Amino acid sequence: DTEVTQTPKHLVMGMTNKKSLKCEQHMGHRAMYWYKQKAKKPPELMFVYSYEKLSINESVPSRFSPECPNSSLLNLHLHALQPEDSALYLCASSRQLSGGETGELFFGEGSRLTVL
Amino acid sequence: AQSVAQPEDQVNVAEGNPLTVKCTYSVSGNPYLFWYVQYPNRGLQFLLKYITGDNLVKGSYGFEAEFNKSQTSFHLKKPSALVSDSALYFCAVRDINNNDMRFGAGTRLTVKP
Repeated sequence: DTEVTQTPKHLVMGMTNKKSLKCEQHMGHRAMYWYKQKAKKPPELMFVYSYEKLSINESVPSRFSPECPNSSLLNLHLHALQPEDSALYLCASSRQLSGGETGELFFGEGSRLTVL
Repeated sequence: AQSVAQPEDQVNVAEGNPLTVKCTYSVSGNPYLFWYVQYPNRGLQFLLKYITGDNLVKGSYGFEAEFNKSQTSFHLKKPSALVSDSALYFCAVRDINNNDMRFGAGTRLTVKP
């Protein structure tokens, strides 16, 4: 069982809608991630939060807006998406890399997004 | 930039036979290497990692991986494959200077009865 919970599992939205994906973990991890995965492709890094601050933004379009309200929660706000944004969106968390920590990522089950 | 490559899109093995899924890496400095497995419509599950120490790393579900510095490889292995091992396998490398984790293209493993 995954300890990273993502909601909703499935989301269908129109190009003019505003929706949000949510992610929650209670493992005390201070690094949280958003990845985008297209079918039969590897996950592509979108954003990384470290201690609730955005540390990596992989040139993601502004129609994707991340938010980290606290150390346990990570949101991805969606607005004016395009059909090509349809994908599996994966959230992950890990221990912060410091003092020799080399923690693996723990992934949620993903939110499958379809943009019509 | 750090990266990993998985040269095989697909690996087919018969149940009970040994399996190998290949991965090579390119890093500056010491590599932090990982293997993950993904079942259909699921998230990624961690299998094992190499940070330092013994070159043979043992992980979940009977998998192991051999780190070879001279060949810059980190191949995933299992002595006896199960049909339930059929899945998508990703090799990954982590940058020790930040929290960046990069994945290889993935290898689809099919184990036939």
